[in-house]
Amino acid sequence: GENVEQHPSTLSVQEGDSAVIKCTYSDSASNYFPWYKQELGKRPQLIIDIRSNVGEKKDQRIAVTLNKTAKHFSLHITETQPEDSAVYFCAASTGGNQFYFGTGTSLTVIP
Amino acid sequence: GAVVSQHPSWVICKSGTSVKIECRSLDFQATTMFWYRQFPKQSLMLMATSNEGSKATYEQGVEKDKFLINHASLTLSTLTVTSAHPEDSSFYICSASVHSTSYEQYFGPGTRLTVT
Repeated sequence: GENVEQHPSTLSVQEGDSAVIKCTYSDSASNYFPWYKQELGKRPQLIIDIRSNVGEKKDQRIAVTLNKTAKHFSLHITETQPEDSAVYFCAASTGGNQFYFGTGTSLTVIP
Repeated sequence: GAVVSQHPSWVICKSGTSVKIECRSLDFQATTMFWYRQFPKQSLMLMATSNEGSKATYEQGVEKDKFLINHASLTLSTLTVTSAHPEDSSFYICSASVHSTSYEQYFGPGTRLTVT
C-alpha cells in the first residue's frame, strides 16, 4: 500500500514567518493530495488540496506544491499567525478514496 | 453542507464488553465511509473502507472479527469494537465521501473510547 512520510514532526516559527512542511509518497498511482489541520481532540479540517495534473495551488496564505517525478509535495504557510498553531497532516490517495496520512507536524507559532 | 456526525462523542467501557460507534452523513448520501483510528499524538490510521450494502474492506493488520463494520444505508455506518481491551482505547474517526469518484472526504468529530 501507499506509504506517506512527513517532515518535520515539530516546527516552531515566529509570528509572521513562513512555515514549510514536506511529504513524500511511494505509490506513483496516487493522484490526490489533501492537507488537513487538526486541533486537539477535534476532527481534521481540509485546508487545501492538489491533484496530480497541477503543480501548484494557492489559497491566500496557504500554498501547496507537487513534484510528481520526485513524489513529494509541500505545504507553505506565509505570514503565520498564532491561530495557525495545530497539527497538520498530509495525505495521498489514488482517487479510490482511501487516504493514507503522513505522521503529522505539530506547528507552533510564537507570538 | 457535507456534515458528518458521530455518536457517542466519548465512551468508557469495561474490558471484555462491546461498544458500537455510529457515523452519519447528515445532509448527503455517502456511498463510501471510512474508519480511522488515532492514538495520542499520532497520525490517522485507516482501518477499513465500507461501501453501502457490501462487506467492508479492512486494511492489513486490522482484525475484522474484532472491529465489525456495518454500512446498512447511504447515511449510516457503524463500527463495533468487540471484546474491548485497554489497548483498544483510542480516538476513532469516520469520514464519508459523496460518491465513489469524489476525491474529498468529510470527517466526523471523532469518538474517544476508553477501555478500563
